Amino acid sequence: RKEVEQDPGPFNVPEGATVAFNCTYSNSASQSFFWYRQDCRKEPKLLMSVYSSGNEDGRFTAQLNRASQYISLLIRDSKLSDSATYLCVVNLQGSARQLTFGSGTQLTVLP
Amino acid sequence: DAGVIQSPRHEVTEMGQEVTLRCKPISGHNSLFWYRQTMMRGLELLIYFNNNVPIDDSGMPEDRFSAKMPNASFSTLKIQPSEPRDSAVYFCASRITMSPQHFGDGTRLSIL
Repeated sequence: RKEVEQDPGPFNVPEGATVAFNCTYSNSASQSFFWYRQDCRKEPKLLMSVYSSGNEDGRFTAQLNRASQYISLLIRDSKLSDSATYLCVVNLQGSARQLTFGSGTQLTVLP
Repeated sequence: DAGVIQSPRHEVTEMGQEVTLRCKPISGHNSLFWYRQTMMRGLELLIYFNNNVPIDDSGMPEDRFSAKMPNASFSTLKIQPSEPRDSAVYFCASRITMSPQHFGDGTRLSIL
């Protein structure tokens, strides 16, 4: 089983739609969680951290479910510019491997 | 603020040649990471340094790959001899402990 698993997609949604991505992680001792965004032929960039109580940043909402070991990202009122690959990232406290990246979920927002 | 700086941005070379990728981390960051990204395998961690010391190189594919960090502001990833299967985008990233990583623009490497 992979340490971090994501649905690769692709997700094709119309502009204005709400879309949600889930990510599961295998190690219950994981301590911190992030969502990164990667545009085509660009580097991954931090989108938002994921806090235990859930957090929101504009149209983006991130949630963590420790009992089920998954995190989610919700995008409301999607824009064409949201088209990208979204990477789930997990940090195991004290892990020699540091951050573990999922393989990413590809989103295309259609006009 | 200057981000992570990588060079070159693109490299095309013939198999068998030595390739050296360079990275300057963000000033003050104490950890540096080298990643490789391909369509087939996604983003793979090759090696990371903490305070200039290599901590985990288990992701380095084979002996042809080597990485150094002689000081806090510079690191290299070397491939010798290079092979076509090494073609990928190589990213360098840096961070302060337990904070998110910041990535450089990457080096697009093509081995012919």
